[in-house]
This record gives sequence, structure tokens and C-alpha cells, in this order.
Amino acid sequence: DAKTTQPNSMESNEEEPVHLPCNHSTISGTDYIHWYRQLPSQGPEYVIHGLTSNVNNRMASLAIAEDRKSSTLILHRATLRDAAVYYCILRLLDSNYQLIWGAGTKLIIKP
Amino acid sequence: DSGVTQTPKHLITATGQRVTLRCSPRSGDLSVYWYQQSLDQGLQFLIQYYNGEERAKGNILERFSAQQFPDLHSELNLSSLELGDSALYFCASSVGQDYTFGSGTRLTVV
Repeated sequence: DAKTTQPNSMESNEEEPVHLPCNHSTISGTDYIHWYRQLPSQGPEYVIHGLTSNVNNRMASLAIAEDRKSSTLILHRATLRDAAVYYCILRLLDSNYQLIWGAGTKLIIKP
Repeated sequence: DSGVTQTPKHLITATGQRVTLRCSPRSGDLSVYWYQQSLDQGLQFLIQYYNGEERAKGNILERFSAQQFPDLHSELNLSSLELGDSALYFCASSVGQDYTFGSGTRLTVV
């Protein structure tokens, strides 16, 4: 079963970088790695996705290990508005592009 | 506003009852996905439709069913409700790798 493993929670100080790790040792070669975040009482929000190479966008960066068995979401300067649950997800090509969700990491930002 | 609309936002009903949750996808998106999120857990995939046809099924109970209509909106029907069905139900639509989620329907079964 494709699956992701994340720490239950992490804390960071405001204005500092945050590195959120994810293990996905059963990933197959065609599975994309997606990250979403969910603020309280809201639906999940897309953050970033990648396949093999590191990716950057205006919200975050995604660093993917060479063997693709792990990845790290990087928030370069966390703000209080970044406090959310961050989900590392596999998008399975072999299952009609289903998103397989883990339990997520609750990110706490300290002012 | 994400562009995906879910109604109602909240629903309280008794055990044994039947409810219908509605989702309007983002304009132009042909795929609709339904997810269930129980308290403090990740999302569980229920079912996917693409342009009116069922495309994939996840851990969806037999008491639950869904359909997608010609105008692409979708409905999730939950019947013979049990206390354990209390959860947030999310709908998402997608084009390519871009998934957009609605704000969910919170179902409480009492």
C-alpha cells in the first residue's frame, strides 16, 4: 500500500524557515508527491507537487530525495498564517490519480 | 472562494436517516472526488467521477452512493446513518494535477 509517514506535530518560530519531513518508502516511479495544507474549519489547500526534481513556487519549496523515498516541504519564512496541518500525499498513476493521504503534521508557529 | 461549492455547510440528523450532500465543481473541471475526514484524521478517499461516469472507488461503504449529473455537479447520498458516519465530507474537483477542495459539509449524526 502506498503510504506516507509524517511527524504528528512541529513547532517553529515566526519568520524562521520550517522543514517538514515526509517518508514515502513504498512510492513507485510514476507516483507524484503532493503537499496540501488545511487550516482549521477549511478545506485542504494545494501547496506544491513534484515527481523527481526539486520544485519551487511562491508558497514553498519541495526537496525530493534522490531515491524518492522521502521529501521535505520548506517554508522559507513562516508566518502565523502558516499554522495549519500539512499533508504529504502520493498521487497514484496506477489508481486513476487517487490522492493517498497521511495523517499530516500539525505546524505550530510561535510569535 | 475556491470555486468548488458544497452544500449544506452543516447537517445534523438522526441515526437511520438518509442525507444528500451536494457539490458543484470548479468551472471547467470534469473530475469530482469525495472524501471523508473523521475527527483529527487525514482524508479518506471515497469515490471519483469523471464527466458523469464513476472512475474510481475507495473505502466507500455500501450505504453510501454518489452520482455526477450532466451539468457536472455531484451528489453523495448517505443512508442508514450511524453515529460513526459523523465527519467532514469534502468534495474536490481537478484538471490535471490541480485539485481544488470545497469547504466541506460537517455531518453530525445524533
